[in-house]
Amino acid sequence: GQNIDQPTEMTATEGAIVQINCTYQTSGFNGLFWYQQHAGEAPTFLSYNVLDGLEEKGRFSSFLSRSKGYSYLLLKELQMKDSASYLCAVRPRLMGQLTFGSGTQLTVLP
Amino acid sequence: SAVISQKPSRDICQRGTSLTIQCQVDSQVTMMFWYRQQPGQSLTLIATANQGSEATYESGFVIDKFPISRPNLTFSTLTVSNMSPEDSSIYLCSSRPPPPDTQYFGPGTRLTVL
Repeated sequence: GQNIDQPTEMTATEGAIVQINCTYQTSGFNGLFWYQQHAGEAPTFLSYNVLDGLEEKGRFSSFLSRSKGYSYLLLKELQMKDSASYLCAVRPRLMGQLTFGSGTQLTVLP
Repeated sequence: SAVISQKPSRDICQRGTSLTIQCQVDSQVTMMFWYRQQPGQSLTLIATANQGSEATYESGFVIDKFPISRPNLTFSTLTVSNMSPEDSSIYLCSSRPPPPDTQYFGPGTRLTVL
């Protein structure tokens, strides 16, 4: 079976840094994805990791350790508009579907 | 990136009726998927829409309830049949253009069944 865990909720202050963790246990691994989803909207693709290490894209970075079944999404210089749900998803097979975690609801406070 | 559109964006339907949701991608894609997101929950895969053959359904979802068509590499439909209030959800189309390191979602169809 597939199991993906991430915290349900997190709160941080505008301008701060927040790290959202994701651990996974899946029958295979061919990539880990992070999405941002604002209330009432579709998920927006943020990042993709398939090799160990850190991928940086502006204020957002994503890290992967395949041996530990672990990833995190790092958000720097938080803005109010970053308040959203962040979804971790694993693709067990190259041509297969994504399996999603339950999402982390991030609230950014002024 | 792939641009995905869905129609309708939302609908309110009566119990026992059926609704067909359309998904259009602006480029040819190998993989198309249909997901459901129930209120306050994460995304659950319904099925993979295969071009030229029957869709592949996930456990808990059946073709009679969720028939899917994929007539070409840019278009797919999902029908929610014989609806009940439990089918109230957001239905999302997703596609994976080559290379397979990204996956995009359409804007979703918000369905309410009375």
